[in-house]
Amino acid sequence: GNSVTQMEGPVTLSEEAFLTINCTYTATGYPSLFWYVQYPGEGLQLLLKATKADDKGSNKGFEATYRKETTSFHLEKGSVQVSDSAVYFCALAKETSGSRLTFGEGTQLTVNP
Amino acid sequence: NAGVTQTPKFRILKIGQSMTLQCTQDMNHNYMYWYRQDPGMGLKLIYYSVGAGITDKGEVPNGYNVSRSTTEDFPLRLELAAPSQTSVYFCASRGGTGVNEKLFFGSGTQLSVL
Repeated sequence: GNSVTQMEGPVTLSEEAFLTINCTYTATGYPSLFWYVQYPGEGLQLLLKATKADDKGSNKGFEATYRKETTSFHLEKGSVQVSDSAVYFCALAKETSGSRLTFGEGTQLTVNP
Repeated sequence: NAGVTQTPKFRILKIGQSMTLQCTQDMNHNYMYWYRQDPGMGLKLIYYSVGAGITDKGEVPNGYNVSRSTTEDFPLRLELAAPSQTSVYFCASRGGTGVNEKLFFGSGTQLSVL
């Protein structure tokens, strides 16, 4: 079946540091890949997505590239801010529609001033 | 814009009690979902619905029931609460088309069963 594995957290960084959160997946065919973010006390929000190999999703300074050869979709940001403190979830869906998502376990990011 | 609204935000139940988690959306979305989020785990799909009158099981449906009598509402029912159902519950709906398609989540219900 489908599965998503994220790097273990929590991750603590200083403001302006470089961020990488690793995500690898197992799936047959060509899934769509997503990063969702959950700010404290809120529901999940879509951060970015990629629907085919070599696609790069980007939003709010975050980027992730769909690497089929390594089955990965690592999240990166060049300079994090305190406001980026949240839980980040990697997810996949077999259909490009984004329904029936399979989520990773989430990575807690804390950015200190 | 209200989006997806869940009530209550917090609830404590005793073992064996029942309750309904409410979810409503004002975006006229056909697809709606219920997920549970356990500590250190990703979200697991409990039930979903592709439109009014149609529901189907997700990965972890045992101990839950749903109904979808209207497009707007998708309540989740716990009949005999168990400690294993202590979790945070999220309702979501699916909107947009093509590359803009995405899930919209409610803010969650934190449930403790003691």
